[in-house]
Amino acid sequence: DQQVKQNSPSLSVQEGRISILNCDYTNSMFDYFLWYKKYPAEGPTFLISISSIKDKNEDGRFTVFLNKSAKHLSLHIVPSQPGDSAVYFCAATAREAQKLVFGQGTRLTINP
Amino acid sequence: EADIYQTPRYLVIGTGKKITLECSQTMGHDKMYWYQQDPGMELHLIHYSYGVNSTEKGDLSSESTVSRIRTEHFPLTLESARPSHTSQYLCASSRTGGQNYGYTFGSGTRLTVV
Repeated sequence: DQQVKQNSPSLSVQEGRISILNCDYTNSMFDYFLWYKKYPAEGPTFLISISSIKDKNEDGRFTVFLNKSAKHLSLHIVPSQPGDSAVYFCAATAREAQKLVFGQGTRLTINP
Repeated sequence: EADIYQTPRYLVIGTGKKITLECSQTMGHDKMYWYQQDPGMELHLIHYSYGVNSTEKGDLSSESTVSRIRTEHFPLTLESARPSHTSQYLCASSRTGGQNYGYTFGSGTRLTVV
């Protein structure tokens, strides 16, 4: 039972344009959501997070949107840069459980 | 600098050998985790620990074992390596409570069993 789903295995975007990565979840107990970025042969690094009491969180070029009624979150990267090419993982947790559940990942490729 | 360290980064080993993948963190985190990532990208939790002398199996069945004798150290052992164990192994840690509920990951160990 996949509680966190990233339905797009890959995404290709032109440099300078907006990248939008999507994530859906099924567990209504999840109240904290995170995005991680992973380069090959390295561990994932934390990118941005959002609490369920918010619907938007912004950090520089990265913005995460949360739609609780749709159980959907998205990561916007604007403008996209070649260094953004990586695999992006969505993760969710019910804070009392403190165990992250990860999505399958989306490979983002930024084309020059 | 507080961090999480995994050694070795890369390991090529013959079938049947016993191996231990090391993971240490200097952040004082009480919780530690091992994930396995195959080329299909998905991260699979194979072991976790919520404190010293506490270990649990994760969502993905694994033939590996772990121990947590010290807070900062969480090694993973394969008694007899097989080609099916070829994968990337990622160690992570987190702290109970606090504002950030995320994990800090190590750089991973890429294991190849020939």
